[in-house]
Amino acid sequence: DVKVTQSSRYLVKRTGEKVFLECVQDMDHENMFWYRQDPGLGLRLIYFSYDVKMKEKGDIPEGYSVSREKKERFSLILESASTNQTSMYLCASSLPGGSGNTIYFGEGSWLTVV
Amino acid sequence: GQQLNQSPQSMFIQEGEDVSMNCTSSSIFNTWLWYKQDPGEGPVLLIALYKAGELTSNGRLTAQFGITRKDSFLNISASIPSDVGIYFCAGQTWLGGATNKLIFGTGTLLAVQP
Repeated sequence: DVKVTQSSRYLVKRTGEKVFLECVQDMDHENMFWYRQDPGLGLRLIYFSYDVKMKEKGDIPEGYSVSREKKERFSLILESASTNQTSMYLCASSLPGGSGNTIYFGEGSWLTVV
Repeated sequence: GQQLNQSPQSMFIQEGEDVSMNCTSSSIFNTWLWYKQDPGEGPVLLIALYKAGELTSNGRLTAQFGITRKDSFLNISASIPSDVGIYFCAGQTWLGGATNKLIFGTGTLLAVQP
């Protein structure tokens, strides 16, 4: 089975703090993704990566950055956390290629910024 | 960013009833996916559809890929309490090379009364 692990399930941070959300997958997937989930808005793509050291902006990249130094690990960084970044963050991974390669999700990281 | 129109937004039903939900888009997708998210967890893939017109079942779940490639529906027959959760549709596009991308619906919250 594909396993996508998000190391922090619940975090509470102060406004202005730097926040790291870590994600590791064990299936040697090339593609990795970070989404945020908010009520009524579904899942929105923040950043994705299709190879080590490669990154692409998603639909809502503002206020976030990412790092992919190793194939299995994709980190989401909030340089200066703000209250509007309180949300559930979901990491995902998939094989490369086109249609038919489904995406698998981690369990989510609940971030509260106070 | 682009989002899919998913309806209904929520459903409150009695155990044993059938459920139907759908997603529509202004864009064509190569693949349609349906995910279920249990409370406090990440989304888990239920059904993947790869061809226009395809009808696929997974136990009590049936999903169809619309002929126009712009819509999909999910039916759940004879609902049970463990069907409770948020259901998301997702359309998958191929960005070229090794990259695919999911666009999500806003979710359907399902509550089942025993």
